[in-house]
Amino acid sequence: DAKTTQPTSMDCAEGRAANLPCNHSTISGNEYVYWYRQIHSQGPQYIIHGLKNNETNEMASLIITEDRKSSTLILPHATLRDTAVYYCIVRVEMEAGANSKLTFGKGITLSVRP
Amino acid sequence: NAGVTQTPKFQVLKTGQSMTLQCAQDMNHEYMSWYRQDPGMGLRLIHYSVGAGITDQGEVPNGYNVSRSTTEDFPLRLLSAAPSQTSVYFCASSYSWQAFEGYTFGSGTRLTVV
Repeated sequence: DAKTTQPTSMDCAEGRAANLPCNHSTISGNEYVYWYRQIHSQGPQYIIHGLKNNETNEMASLIITEDRKSSTLILPHATLRDTAVYYCIVRVEMEAGANSKLTFGKGITLSVRP
Repeated sequence: NAGVTQTPKFQVLKTGQSMTLQCAQDMNHEYMSWYRQDPGMGLRLIHYSVGAGITDQGEVPNGYNVSRSTTEDFPLRLLSAAPSQTSVYFCASSYSWQAFEGYTFGSGTRLTVV
């Protein structure tokens, strides 16, 4: 799997956009970028994923650079409930073998301040 | 509410004791898996199952057994607890092992082995 690099932590003001960066310079052409988050004491929660094009859903937007070596998760209007650890994961979507797994690194801790 | 239910939420064991962590889902998901999360580390896959009657090992299976007699349940058994098994355990399910965006995690079991 392509390795991802994320800052350790960041903060943003409530109501503002939170832009969470992720570097994946060794990503392969068939690897997707997934974002999960883990709110304190809870299990991880899927947010969004994409391959090449930018994606948007009700939770967030995912911006992937043209060379696919980095991406940014955008929470358009951060709330206090968005305080969590955010994981950027790169995976082949149809990888052979059910031993494929989500590999969670240390992620980035986002703190939303009032 | 539909989802993944883990019991118990907290457990303290003495070294050498055995116990079973329960995981149940009501989404008719084929794929179920167990992860452990240690401080400062990401989630690591212990065992997984692609359907009733089928189980296999993940990356850290030693000291754990699983079974999948029904689609709904995927219990994790600790055979002889050791302090190194102190961790937070998460069960996850998905309609397919390939559907990384479809993973639903339980709220975790916090296990301490003394």
